Amino acid sequence: AQKVTQAQTEISVVEKEDVTLDCVYETRDTTYYLFWYKQPPSGELVFLIRRNSFDEQNEISGRYSWNFQKSTSSFNFTITASQVVDSAVYFCALSEADTGTASKLTFGTGTRLQVTL
Amino acid sequence: ETGVTQSPTHLIKTRGQQVTLRCSSQSGHNTVSWYQQALGQGPQFIFQYYREEENGRGNFPPRFSGLQFPNYSSELNVNALELDDSALYLCASSPLNSYEQYFGPGTRLTVT
Repeated sequence: AQKVTQAQTEISVVEKEDVTLDCVYETRDTTYYLFWYKQPPSGELVFLIRRNSFDEQNEISGRYSWNFQKSTSSFNFTITASQVVDSAVYFCALSEADTGTASKLTFGTGTRLQVTL
Repeated sequence: ETGVTQSPTHLIKTRGQQVTLRCSSQSGHNTVSWYQQALGQGPQFIFQYYREEENGRGNFPPRFSGLQFPNYSSELNVNALELDDSALYLCASSPLNSYEQYFGPGTRLTVT
């Protein structure tokens, strides 16, 4: 069975600080996808990033970066120079990768990020 | 915006009643998934439809059922509502051969 753990329930930072959201996952699949979604107060889940299990290259996209380490089953997400608009709940999610199409997402319980001035 | 729409936005029902929630996918998206998100929790997978057939189901009882129509819109039906069914119900659609799922704004269901 797949499982995603986000140990940080809530994080508060001051604007312009960097913040890292932790994610640890469990799966028996050899190939899988990892995702980060953002859920603002409006409720809609916004897709941020997706990584394949066979590609451990870490990337930066604007103020977002992620650190995927298969050896520790972790997929951490960093926001650089946080802004008030980053305030939301962030979810890490896991899915199979051998079905040829989108398969069910297993989500963590989310980390609420509050960015203040 | 993802182009995925859901209706209604909010709904209040009484225990024992039945409810139908609707989702309209983006054009060209032939896979739709439904998730239940209880307050303070992550979304839980209910089921997925692909080409109008159920293509996977989570740990939800049979009173949760669905339909997908030829135009790729979808319905989630819940019979014999229970208080614990109160949640945000999210619909997500995916284009062919893609692993990304694009979510709608959700329907908040309250069962009293």
